[in-house]
Amino acid sequence: GQQVMQIPQYQHVQEGEDFTTYCNSSTTLSNIQWYKQRPGGHPVFLIQLVKSGEVKKQKRLTFQFGEAKKNSSLHITATQTTDVGTYFCAVIAGGTSYGKLTFGQGTILTVHP
Amino acid sequence: GAGVSQSPSNKVTEKGKDVELRCDPISGHTALYWYRQSLGQGLEFLIYFQGNSAPDKSGLPSDRFSAERTGGSVSTLTIQRTQQEDSAVYLCASSFPIKIAGGRYNEQFFGPGTRLTVL
Repeated sequence: GQQVMQIPQYQHVQEGEDFTTYCNSSTTLSNIQWYKQRPGGHPVFLIQLVKSGEVKKQKRLTFQFGEAKKNSSLHITATQTTDVGTYFCAVIAGGTSYGKLTFGQGTILTVHP
Repeated sequence: GAGVSQSPSNKVTEKGKDVELRCDPISGHTALYWYRQSLGQGLEFLIYFQGNSAPDKSGLPSDRFSAERTGGSVSTLTIQRTQQEDSAVYLCASSFPIKIAGGRYNEQFFGPGTRLTVL
């Protein structure tokens, strides 16, 4: 089945530092999604990327989809304590199971004030 | 508007008992998913319903697990003869997949989850 590797598993930063998490797949992806889960909360959708080389920004967050559509990254500029949580990438299986998402293991972000 | 709701929020049961977890998706959403999240872990896909199609049960870990979706809306996940390793947070999500260039837009809306503890 579809597998996706997400790194790093943990990241500790000082408030104001940047943060990046990466997702890598051995197979070409049709698209990729990113979710954020606050401690004690449930995952919340951030974005879906579809096009090769796509770059999208949401305020301090920048999302990239690789040219080969095998990797993606989420970059946060000047982290704030509100950015604390786990960031997951999720990929959609091809074929008929277009709705089934396979999630990465997540990157747990801690921001020290 | 109302989001995805799940009940109960917490369930403590004894090993060997059966449990039922309920999910009320967002009205009009055609797709419904169940995931399992163990402490500090990622999300494990369990089952997926889309409209009237046969569900994708490929993630169910054993035949003790089953799910149904009645009337294309409410879903129930049933775990029979619970084991301690079934302890986890069970998350439900719903979506309305939309065909777009390059695939389908499929933003999933998650419920708050049911925390299951098997003693």
